[in-house]
Amino acid sequence: DIQMTQSPSTLSASVGDRVTITCRASQSISSWLAWYQQKPGKAPKLLIYKASSLESGVPSRFSGSGSGTEFTLTISSLQPDDFATYYCQQYNSYSLTFGGGTKVEIK
Amino acid sequence: QVQLQESGPGLVKPSQTLSLTCTVSGGSISSGSYYWSWIRQPAGKGLEWIGRIYTSGSTNYNPSLKSRVTISVDTSKNQFSLKLSSVTAADTAVYYCARLAVALWYFDLWGRGTLVTVSS
Repeated sequence: DIQMTQSPSTLSASVGDRVTITCRASQSISSWLAWYQQKPGKAPKLLIYKASSLESGVPSRFSGSGSGTEFTLTISSLQPDDFATYYCQQYNSYSLTFGGGTKVEIK
Repeated sequence: QVQLQESGPGLVKPSQTLSLTCTVSGGSISSGSYYWSWIRQPAGKGLEWIGRIYTSGSTNYNPSLKSRVTISVDTSKNQFSLKLSSVTAADTAVYYCARLAVALWYFDLWGRGTLVTVSS
């Protein structure tokens, strides 16, 4: 199984900060990586797919990059609505796994 | 718009079988563009993919759960279902059904989730 390691596990930031979250795969997954945002008591929401494609309706302050084994999610200017937990998710050879999550907290 | 809704018992006894159904409304489960999946999340923890099914009935499961999981589809009812056997307290979680885009491998639509507690 491919393991997905997210870092950091918790991040404290202020409104307006640029935030970067990293996801590393234990082996190459090409660009088959998605990012989700989850708020307490809610289902995850798709932000980015195929590593860098922005889902329709998602603000442009969210962006994704990377390929192979290292990927990043960047929020260019953190907004109050962005305080949440973020997960990466990979696909490889009929199996899917999620990263452990990154909680973005108010500093 | 298409919506997903999980249903099933909220309490299951240890060693028994957990059974959940996801009803797809506002669209057809027979769309060739999607797989239909189950994902779970224990309280305060991360997401775990359980498995997926295509409208044809073809399935793929998480290797760690494969021996206990069965996912099936009923196109006449626009539903798909999850059965997880021999449950323990470790299976207590919020269970989500979700739609997985074929060939792009992302979950673009989720149900609201249902809490299943395993306890005697």
